[in-house]
Amino acid sequence: AQKVTQAQTEISVVEKEDVTLDCVYETRDTTYYLFWYKQPPSGELVFLIRRNSFDEQNEISGRYSWNFQKSTSSFNFTITASQVVDSAVYFCALSEGDDYKLSFGAGTTVTVRA
Amino acid sequence: DAGVTQSPTHLIKTRGQQVTLRCSPKSGHDTVSWYQQALGQGPQFIFQYYEEEERQRGNFPDRFSGHQFPNYSSELNVNALLLGDSALYLCASSSWGTGGFNYGYTFGSGTRLTVV
Repeated sequence: AQKVTQAQTEISVVEKEDVTLDCVYETRDTTYYLFWYKQPPSGELVFLIRRNSFDEQNEISGRYSWNFQKSTSSFNFTITASQVVDSAVYFCALSEGDDYKLSFGAGTTVTVRA
Repeated sequence: DAGVTQSPTHLIKTRGQQVTLRCSPKSGHDTVSWYQQALGQGPQFIFQYYEEEERQRGNFPDRFSGHQFPNYSSELNVNALLLGDSALYLCASSSWGTGGFNYGYTFGSGTRLTVV
């Protein structure tokens, strides 16, 4: 069963628009970690944010913000005032309890047009 | 501060051959994980090495094996290559705090393997 679902395959926006990426996860563990990674065309996965299951406080970091809601098992990520350099594939990932692996979603391709 | 380094960046092999991919973790990291990313998909966990031993393995056949050296660097070996093994192979390093807290993973740029 898919542990992380990213329903949006592709999103295309014009520069300066906000972009919200959806992520729904599935786990039976009470302790888990959620991540967002960005993968530009170069291939490297770039770490963006991490939250643990005990901290539902939503924060803003620069142009990035996230909305973690355990009640709906969602961990959505927003880019405010998007820029062309934000064009990439974005992955949501889950690490559960004593499990060492990251389970990734299928990714959302974001294209920001000038 | 160098991040995760992988070599080679690109590789072309023939079906049935064997391949070795290499990874040097980020300074201060002691754990190395390997992921396979097929085109258009999310990365899939192959295995993780810690203290020179395989700590966890994903759903991959025994053709996929690995090794971690005392300096924490790692190799991924794939035997009897199949066309379906064509993918981007990503190495990720990490360090684990007290109680197993996951501080997150740093990924390399990957090795693009093409099997023909």
